[in-house]
Amino acid sequence: SQQGEEDPQALSIQEGENATMNCSYKTSINNLQWYRQNSGRGLVHLILIRSNEREKHSGRLRVTLDTSKKSSSLLITASRAADTASYFCATDGGKLTFGTGTRLTIIP
Amino acid sequence: EAGVAQSPRYKIIEKRQSVAFWCNPISGHATLYWYQQILGQGPKLLIQFQNNGVVDDSQLPKDRFSAERLKGVDSTLKIQPAKLEDSAVYLCASSLVEMTHLFFGSGTQLSVL
Repeated sequence: SQQGEEDPQALSIQEGENATMNCSYKTSINNLQWYRQNSGRGLVHLILIRSNEREKHSGRLRVTLDTSKKSSSLLITASRAADTASYFCATDGGKLTFGTGTRLTIIP
Repeated sequence: EAGVAQSPRYKIIEKRQSVAFWCNPISGHATLYWYQQILGQGPKLLIQFQNNGVVDDSQLPKDRFSAERLKGVDSTLKIQPAKLEDSAVYLCASSLVEMTHLFFGSGTQLSVL
């Protein structure tokens, strides 16, 4: 079963714009992770945020976590064509469970 | 450092046949995972090993799927007999710390006809 659910399912933006995707989950977690998957490839770990953290940055990525609402958001600033990929949240609630993904397309 | 190696990259079989996938994790990673990813969905955990012991196989269809991790390093996942609904990408991943920062292989794309 999928623990997390990403929103939107698909997102298309112009290069240079910011992209925001959201993840909602159902049970208590130890941490939440975001992964990227390029077409036909395996997943790549982007960032991890622990349950006692509210915000984390890594380069052009900003992740927030609201455990009271059981939700997280991933912001990619100044998007590039190379950011085109599917993005998944993964929650550690005893086992690492992936969401349904957001397919991001950056239009050059 | 070398990444997670998987083979084969693609496999096409007929239903009721058997198939096996191989995974070599990153050296030193004690935790190894097999995920099934159906087209358009997120990966679903099939089995998780810690060294050569099984930590979680609650979502592994044990009547047809089996997995082993000999000597706590390489792993194989087998399907026998395959069904049409087994068509998916099978991803192997490993991590140094359990359930944290997984490194994924490129996957095996299985088509069952």
